[in-house]
Amino acid sequence: EVQLLESGGGLVQPGGSLRLSCSASGFTFSSFTMYWVRQAPGKGLEWVSGTSGSGHSRYYADSVGGRFTISRDNSKNTLSLQMNSLRAEDTAIYFCAKDHDSGGPFDPWGRGTLVTVSS
Amino acid sequence: ETVMTQSPASLSVSPGERATLSCRASQSISNNLAWYQQKPGQAPRLLIYGASTRATVIPARFSGSGSGTEFTLTISSLQSEDFAVYYCQQYKNWPRTFGQGTKVEIK
Repeated sequence: EVQLLESGGGLVQPGGSLRLSCSASGFTFSSFTMYWVRQAPGKGLEWVSGTSGSGHSRYYADSVGGRFTISRDNSKNTLSLQMNSLRAEDTAIYFCAKDHDSGGPFDPWGRGTLVTVSS
Repeated sequence: ETVMTQSPASLSVSPGERATLSCRASQSISNNLAWYQQKPGQAPRLLIYGASTRATVIPARFSGSGSGTEFTLTISSLQSEDFAVYYCQQYKNWPRTFGQGTKVEIK
């Protein structure tokens, strides 16, 4: 069974940094593109970032480009998101998700970790 | 960026009735369109991909159609567990983008 478990969320002050992790199991991690998606309280889904199986290709939403860095450690089956210069509008639940076996859609998703940016 | 627009924003439906949700892309995405269901406090769940292919263990009452820029999700006979928020998402272009969601409520 595929499992994705996010960690690292918490309360951080504006301008601060946080590193999220997603521990994956149940599939060949290095074979799949992985993603981060966030959801602000009471709002819709916003795609944040994605990285290819090798980690060589990385993509970002304009809203986080230059501040967030996605990475992966295929030896540890772990996806990470380094978040710097955090703003109040980055407050959200952050989900990690796996590329579907057919490529493209996100399936499955982790349960998410809450990031709160506030003074 | 490919903008995804869903309509309506909310839909009130009685159990057993049909619900039709729409999603429009700002440019052609062929059939690179997914639908997700999200219930309160839960992660989204993939329902449909390739615009019309049901994901594993998704009931046959869920169906998707469309290609290019216009897409539809139909729930043929709403069950109590189907009341949720539904999102469309394109995965043809970077950045990946979601619609703003349609909330299906009990009438």
